[in-house]
Amino acid sequence: GDSVTQTEGQVALSEEDFLTIHCNYSASGYPALFWYVQYPGEGPQFLFRASRDKEKGSSRGFEATYNKEATSFHLQKASVQESDSAVYYCALSGSFNKLTFGAGTRLAVCP
Amino acid sequence: DTTVKQNPRYKLARVGKPVNLICSQTMNHDTMYWYQKKPNQAPKLLLFYYDKILNREADTFEKFQSSRPNNSFCSLYIGSAGLEYSAMYLCASRGGHLYAEQFFGPGTRLTVL
Repeated sequence: GDSVTQTEGQVALSEEDFLTIHCNYSASGYPALFWYVQYPGEGPQFLFRASRDKEKGSSRGFEATYNKEATSFHLQKASVQESDSAVYYCALSGSFNKLTFGAGTRLAVCP
Repeated sequence: DTTVKQNPRYKLARVGKPVNLICSQTMNHDTMYWYQKKPNQAPKLLLFYYDKILNREADTFEKFQSSRPNNSFCSLYIGSAGLEYSAMYLCASRGGHLYAEQFFGPGTRLTVL
């Protein structure tokens, strides 16, 4: 079946550091790929998506590029802020638009 | 309004007792989902409604029931709670266009004792 792997369980950075969270997927077909962000006490929020090879998704300074050959969709941000502290989920959309999530990466940004 | 509401936010249940969780949305979305989230694990899809049609995942088929009395409401029902049901339960809804995102509620934290 479909699966999503996020390499980092936790990431700790200082403000203005560069962020990369790695996401790799395994799926039959050609899934759409998503990043969601979850703040304490809230449900996951849609960050952005990409639906075809080499497409870049972006929002709020975060970006990721769909790489079909490498089966990856790594999240990056050039300069993180304390307010970016949250849990980030990579997900793919399979049959019936069902989402398969990675286990999440907890980002902590210190001022 | 892009809000998905869930009630209650916290639920304490006894082993062997039934549990009913409620979700509502006012976006007129045709699809509603229920996920189970345990610590350090990915959210796991349990079931979803497309309009009035219920689809349950194969590995949780026997454990969860659901109803959708109208477009706005969807429930998740556990007939006899076990300790393994302790988790966060997330409800989400989605509109119809291709690759549309899902909108999530804040979740219900269920603790079974």
